[in-house]
Amino acid sequence: EDQVTQSPEALRLQEGESSSLNCSYTVSGLRGLFWYRQDPGKGPEFLFTLYSAGEEKEKERLKATLTKKESFLHITAPKPEDSATYLCAVQEGEKLTFGTGTRLTIIP
Amino acid sequence: DAGVTQSPTHLIKTRGQQVTLRCSPKSGHDTVSWYQQALGQGPQFIFQYYEEEERQRGNFPDRFSGHQFPNYSSELNVNALLLGDSALYLCASSLAVGAPQHFGDGTRLSIL
Repeated sequence: EDQVTQSPEALRLQEGESSSLNCSYTVSGLRGLFWYRQDPGKGPEFLFTLYSAGEEKEKERLKATLTKKESFLHITAPKPEDSATYLCAVQEGEKLTFGTGTRLTIIP
Repeated sequence: DAGVTQSPTHLIKTRGQQVTLRCSPKSGHDTVSWYQQALGQGPQFIFQYYEEEERQRGNFPDRFSGHQFPNYSSELNVNALLLGDSALYLCASSLAVGAPQHFGDGTRLSIL
């Protein structure tokens, strides 16, 4: 069965302090790895899809990378509005299997 | 362009009751999936509907059932509610198999 582990569980950064979030996974046949952002009381908001090792995607201050065993979400010079829970998910068949997320707090 | 919409936003029920949650997919999307998210956890897959048929199901009991209508909207039904069914229920729609799933803001279900 698919497993997705995210670390750290929580991360506090000063505004402008860059860092990375980790998502390690085991899946029999990866059809895609997805990153979502979730704000309190809201549904997950789609950020990126990665399909093969070596692939990279960027959006504003975020960059997602993928290897055969893990994915990283790099955040560069974050701002307070980047504070949220970031969820990673792998697709097997039609379902997404999610990790428990990293709760990111950016301190002004 | 309206995104995924869910109703109601909040619901309070008692043990043993039945509940129906509703979802309208994003315009142009024909595939709808349902997820349950407990506090502090990631969403867990319940099932997916495509062409009015259940295409895949997660590890949820038969008390959880669904339906998809010809206009692609969907319902999630839960019978014989348990305290453990308290959660945020999320609906997601996608354009095709393997395409990114886009989520609504969910229905917060509380069981007393």
